[in-house]
This record gives sequence, C-alpha cells and structure tokens, in this order.
Amino acid sequence: EAQVTQNPRYLITVTGKKLTVTCSQNMNHEYMSWYRQDPGLGLRQIYYSMNVEVTDKGDVPEGYKVSRKEKRNFPLILESPSPNQTSLYFCASSLRAAIYNSPLHFGNGTRLTVT
Amino acid sequence: SQELEQSPQSLIVQEGKNLTINCTSSKTLYGLYWYKQKYGEGLIFLMMLQKGGEEKSHEKITAKLDEKKQQSSLHITASQPSHAGIYLCGALSEIYGGATNKLIFGTGTLLAVQP
Repeated sequence: EAQVTQNPRYLITVTGKKLTVTCSQNMNHEYMSWYRQDPGLGLRQIYYSMNVEVTDKGDVPEGYKVSRKEKRNFPLILESPSPNQTSLYFCASSLRAAIYNSPLHFGNGTRLTVT
Repeated sequence: SQELEQSPQSLIVQEGKNLTINCTSSKTLYGLYWYKQKYGEGLIFLMMLQKGGEEKSHEKITAKLDEKKQQSSLHITASQPSHAGIYLCGALSEIYGGATNKLIFGTGTLLAVQP
C-alpha cells in the first residue's frame, strides 16, 4: 500500500533530550516536507527536500534539523526540544515539487509533548 | 506574506443539508488544493484546481476556483456524517508575481454533521 509512515505516533519527552521522528514513503517521491500544526496557526512548513541531499528551510525551521540521505526517508531531528515545540507534526511527500502541482500525501502525524 | 483565510471557522449542519466552505487569498492562487483531516490524523487529498473558473467534483463534493484565482469554494451536497472533519485549503505561495515551491495552508474549517 502506498503510504507515508511516521513514527512514533505519540511522544512525550523532557526539555533538552534529543529526539528523532522518522518518516518514510514507499512511492518513490522526490519531494518531502515536514509541517507542524498548532491551534489557530494552521499548518506551517518546517523543512522540505526537493530530492536526495537537497533540503531547505520552510517557515519555522528554528530548533529543527533534517536530512535526506535516501529518497524514501526524511527524519526530523530536535537536538534540544523545548516546550514551544509541543505540537502535532506531519510528514508529507509528493511525486515532484509543489510547483508542478503534485499533490502532497500526508502521514498520520506525530503528537509531540515536551515538558 | 500571503495568507489563506477560510470561512467559516466551524460549521454544524444537519444530515442531508448542503454547505459551502470558502478559501480566500490576498494574492493570486497558483494551484489550489483541498484536503480533509479527521481530528488528530493526517490530511487526505480531495481535489486540486489550477485554472480560473475551474470546477471539479468527486462524489458529493464540488470545488471551484473563481475567475480571478483569489477565491475557492468547496460545496458539499446532501451532507452525511462521513463528511465530518476539518477541511483545509492549500495553495502555492506567490512571490514576485509567480508561484513558489512552498505550499501554504488555511487554518481550516471544522465541519460537524448531525444525524
């Protein structure tokens, strides 16, 4: 089944403890992206990747890192999480970059709580 | 910066009623997407509109993009409980009169359908 898989679905951690949220897609998509969703603020892009080894900042990249060493994986790294990073995170992928009008496919989300 | 404004923010309708959700942009919409989200879950792609005046339908959901490409509407005919969820519009952000690779989203419309 074609899908975007995020893990874990739920995560509770403490301030400063490094964590990684994994994202994998099995559709051979070039474009991958991370979003966070907060009440009243909607979906905001954190980072995106046009292809392997090509990543760029979105609207809210501070406090996050990403890497794209393989086409299928796009992990989100929080080196030193803080409470303001408590949010619902979504990974998404599309066949090509957004400008080619290629719809995004979303994972089921990771609900992160930082205490 | 470009923003997408959705109205209404929330909507409660009785099963069988028709409803419309609007998405308005201060700038030209290059590639307008409609997604549906069940609470706490990932987004499901519904439709994409590109051209001014374009209209697409899927089952009982119809989406339109106005001629000026600054507003889109999503219309549900004879609503059912399965239509309940959060509807989000997304669009390629515009800069210097052209589209970018960044997909921005509205804050969503929460739809409840009462049996």
